[in-house]
Amino acid sequence: RKEVEQDPGPFNVPEGATVAFNCTYSNSASQSFFWYRQDCRKEPKLLMSVYSSGNEDGRFTAQLNRASQYISLLIRDSKLSDSATYLCVVRMDSSYKLIFGSGTRLLVRP
Amino acid sequence: DTGVSQNPRHKITKRGQNVTFRCDPISEHNRLYWYRQTLGQGPEFLTYFQNEAQLEKSRLLSDRFSAERPKGSFSTLEIQRTEQGDSAMYLCASFSGGPLMVEQFFGPGTRLTVL
Repeated sequence: RKEVEQDPGPFNVPEGATVAFNCTYSNSASQSFFWYRQDCRKEPKLLMSVYSSGNEDGRFTAQLNRASQYISLLIRDSKLSDSATYLCVVRMDSSYKLIFGSGTRLLVRP
Repeated sequence: DTGVSQNPRHKITKRGQNVTFRCDPISEHNRLYWYRQTLGQGPEFLTYFQNEAQLEKSRLLSDRFSAERPKGSFSTLEIQRTEQGDSAMYLCASFSGGPLMVEQFFGPGTRLTVL
């Protein structure tokens, strides 16, 4: 079983739609959680951190449920520029190494 | 541009040859990480350095792989006797360290193709 699991998609949605991605992790010792975004043939870039209290950054909302070992990302009012792969990431805070899910691909169509 | 550079950007080699990649991190960052990414997968951790010390190596890193970070600045990743299964994107990430620091900054990667 992979340490971080995501639905690979692709999610194909119209502009303006709301889309949600989910992720589960297996190591309860994981201490920090993130969503990274990766455009085609580019390096991953941090989208946002994820906290148990939930956090919002504009159209993006992230949530962590430690009891269920579950992480989510909600994108509201999708834009064409949101088309990318979204990577769920846990960080081991002894080494700060990142453990990535396989990514969920989002395609936003006009 | 994240401030992390990697060279070369692309490398095509024949099976059995040795290859070496270089990563130049953000200058004030003391931690440097190597990851490998294959098509349709997320990056997988290979190894990391704190300053010049290599502190952890993944079991993915066979004895054909070696990494160095002399003087705690740039790092090199060498693959000896390359195999077709080594074909992947090799990513380097730079991090200043500490639990309150958030982002690892990735370089553009070196895409390796082994024929």
